[in-house]
Amino acid sequence: EVQLVESGGGLVKPGGSLRLSCAASGFTFSTYSMNWVRQAPGKGLEWVSSINSRSTYIEYAGSVKGRFTVFRDNAKSSLYLQMNSLRAEDTAVYYCAREGPDYWGQGTLVTVSS
Amino acid sequence: DIQMTQSPSTLSTSVGDRVTITCRANQSISSWLAWYQQKPGKAPKLLIYKASSLEGGVPSRFSGSGSGTEFILTISSLQPDDFATYYCQQYNGYPWTFGQGTKVEIK
Repeated sequence: EVQLVESGGGLVKPGGSLRLSCAASGFTFSTYSMNWVRQAPGKGLEWVSSINSRSTYIEYAGSVKGRFTVFRDNAKSSLYLQMNSLRAEDTAVYYCAREGPDYWGQGTLVTVSS
Repeated sequence: DIQMTQSPSTLSTSVGDRVTITCRANQSISSWLAWYQQKPGKAPKLLIYKASSLEGGVPSRFSGSGSGTEFILTISSLQPDDFATYYCQQYNGYPWTFGQGTKVEIK
């Protein structure tokens, strides 16, 4: 069974940093591209970033480019999102999603507030 | 960026009704479109990919059609479990973009 479990969310002050993790299981992680998608409270879905299976191709949404960094560790079947210079508008549930995206994790809430 | 526009934003309907949701792109995305269902507090669930391909395990009452710039999600006979918010998403190119969502609610 495919499972994606995010962690690392929490409350952070504007300008602060946070690293999200996504632990994958039930599939061969190293052969799939992975994505981060977020959803602000009561709002729609917003794609954040994608990384291919070998980390040779990475894309970011314009709203996070230069502040967020996506990376992965295929040996640990894990995906990460390093978020720096956080702003109030980054407050959202962050989902890790496989390729399509077809499978999604349950999400982790990031709240940016003073 | 490719803009995706869904209509309607809200749909008040009843069990057994036929439901159609439209998604329009502001430029051609071929058939690179997916549909998701999301319930409150839950992650989105993939229903349809490549505009008309049904994801495994999704009931056959769900179907998708269209190509280019206009796409339709149809639920042939709405069931109680189908009351949710539905999103379209284009993956023709980056940045991936989503429609604003269509909330299907009980009339």
